[in-house]
Amino acid sequence: DAGVTQTPRHEVAEKGQTIILKCEPVSGHNDLFWYRQTKIQGLELLSYFRSKSLMEDGGAFKDRFKAEMLNSSFSTLKIQPTEPKDSAVYLCASRDWGEDTGQLYFGEGSKLTVL
Amino acid sequence: QQQVRQSPQSLTVWEGETAILNCSYEDSTFDYFPWYHQFPGESPALLIAIRPVSNKKEDGRFTIFFNKREKKFSLHIADSQPGDSATYFCAASPNAYKVIFGKGTHLHVLP
Repeated sequence: DAGVTQTPRHEVAEKGQTIILKCEPVSGHNDLFWYRQTKIQGLELLSYFRSKSLMEDGGAFKDRFKAEMLNSSFSTLKIQPTEPKDSAVYLCASRDWGEDTGQLYFGEGSKLTVL
Repeated sequence: QQQVRQSPQSLTVWEGETAILNCSYEDSTFDYFPWYHQFPGESPALLIAIRPVSNKKEDGRFTIFFNKREKKFSLHIADSQPGDSATYFCAASPNAYKVIFGKGTHLHVLP
């Protein structure tokens, strides 16, 4: 079984640009999460989908961050416009909410650098 | 307030010692408490998890202690090994819903 796939693995953007990060969850998983990881803040929740419906939009991240789930096997995270403080690793994770362990399966992440 | 607080930020222990990592929360709706570990260059992976029906969960050298009254839980790593050196994140989830993570503890185990 394929795990969570994220693309691109690395992205360099100029301040003000629009970037789109992509995620393919584990097949059959009905929950999908986007997190931002930095050394200072750790793992911050950006968005949470269940069966393609947006359940949480990450509060403080609403204004420039927009996650979408176009179908059950593909999600995007758009950052528009980018700022240098957005430099971080963006992690996508999926979960089968019916699975007893409640385990999140993480992708390898997309490292974003904003100049 | 849906936050998970984690301490210490960094912890160094000698090989063979027990490392203790701590977390606390405020929201009483949280009912699932996992710990994830992350090695350099890798993504977080589930290590062990507990639900409040019990106050202790063991898996080999790793034990979660849970105190529902004080809203605290901790991870004890017995007989720490250099290979345990990693970042450990505690987390909490209300009713199989979103998962909120602490800021992480960087564990260094010295040989």
